[in-house]
Amino acid sequence: EIVLTQSPATLSLSPGERATLSCRASQNVNSQLAWYLQKPGQAPRLIIYDASNRATGIPARFSGSGSGTDFTLTISSLEPEDFAVYHCQQRSSWPLTFGGGTKVEIK
Amino acid sequence: EVHLVESGGGLVQPGGSPRLSCAASGFAFSTSAMTWVRQAPGKGLEWISYISSSGGILYYADSVKGRFTISRDNAKDSLYLQMNSLRDEDTAVYYCVTLLYDYGGADFFNNWGQGTLVTVSS
Repeated sequence: EIVLTQSPATLSLSPGERATLSCRASQNVNSQLAWYLQKPGQAPRLIIYDASNRATGIPARFSGSGSGTDFTLTISSLEPEDFAVYHCQQRSSWPLTFGGGTKVEIK
Repeated sequence: EVHLVESGGGLVQPGGSPRLSCAASGFAFSTSAMTWVRQAPGKGLEWISYISSSGGILYYADSVKGRFTISRDNAKDSLYLQMNSLRDEDTAVYYCVTLLYDYGGADFFNNWGQGTLVTVSS
């Protein structure tokens, strides 16, 4: 099973600041990684797939990068609606696995 | 617009056997693979089961293998999860989810339902 480790667990930032989230895989997943955003009480929403492709309707301030075992989600300038939990997920092999999540909170 | 509505959750005793349902609309359900993903309170996400469009290919996470059964009724645009021998650690919100590429292999999760909470407690 591929283990995904996200860091930091919590990121405290102010609106307008840049957010950089990390996801590290226990083995090579190539570019087969996605990011999801989850607001309290809501289902997750796909925001990035194949490491760097934005999903439909996702604003350009969200960008993904990386390949192999190290991946980054960057939010260039935080909007109030971006404060949430972010999850990474790999589809390189079964079972499909998620990271533990990073909470982006208002400082 | 894709719409997924889960039902069947609630308070269940340890060892219980509820069945979750997911009513799908807004897309070609009969030609779409489907999955269940769960999230324990305050915890991360866990994929638990996959079913191909025909129902002929099934996958399970080790945590539920032998206890849960995924199935579907394409005539009713419905997905099911039969849960048996429930344990405290099965307490979670259960989401019905479509896949992004849906080519028959490992995939990303695209459209999510609102989830149904299953609480296992005596």
